Amino acid sequence: DAGVIQSPRHEVTEMGQEVTLRCKPISGHNSLFWYRQTMMRGLELLIYFNNNVPIDDSGMPEDRFSAKMPNASFSTLKIQPSEPRDSAVYFCASSRDRDSPLHFGNGTRLTVT
Amino acid sequence: GEDVEQSLFLSVREGDSSVINCTYTDSSSTYLYWYKQEPGAGLQLLTYIFSNMDMKQDQRLTVLLNKKDKHLSLRIADTQTGDSAIYFCAESIGSGGSYIPTFGRGTSLIVHP
Repeated sequence: DAGVIQSPRHEVTEMGQEVTLRCKPISGHNSLFWYRQTMMRGLELLIYFNNNVPIDDSGMPEDRFSAKMPNASFSTLKIQPSEPRDSAVYFCASSRDRDSPLHFGNGTRLTVT
Repeated sequence: GEDVEQSLFLSVREGDSSVINCTYTDSSSTYLYWYKQEPGAGLQLLTYIFSNMDMKQDQRLTVLLNKKDKHLSLRIADTQTGDSAIYFCAESIGSGGSYIPTFGRGTSLIVHP
């Protein structure tokens, strides 16, 4: 089991650029979560998918953020345009079902200058 | 206020026991989790307890749940320098059919040789 795989591990971009973060959940897991971690706000849930369908996106901060899950093995989180305050570590996590613990990827550290 | 609260720091000497505490607010919590985050990595599930249990032991780890006081603790026996990390408490609450975990801010455990 390779675990949850995120790419890239680090992303440095300039303000105004588009950023796409990628996630491959654990095979057989049907729930996928995107979290953002900052010193100021801790771990925040951005969006949650179940069976590839977005269930709760109330944590997505603005329209600049969008997430997709075109199939069970791939999800993207896109920020367009990016701003310096988006700098954070973005985690993807998956779980087998709603009663199961989350398994996290190693995160993408995003720096927007 | 936050749904899950933890103290931010704990410092212990190697070989001593560590006790990390957590309080939560929702009495309908179903599962309560402890995750460990090492630098540059994602959150790793350490252990979890179902809300109808009082205690769970797994090698050096003991989880105690006081449901009346909504208090959860993680005890690490014979703490080692490799246990230095951030420890997150999380609760999982059923909501419209989904169980979205809510995380605390994390407790940084520092182990002195």
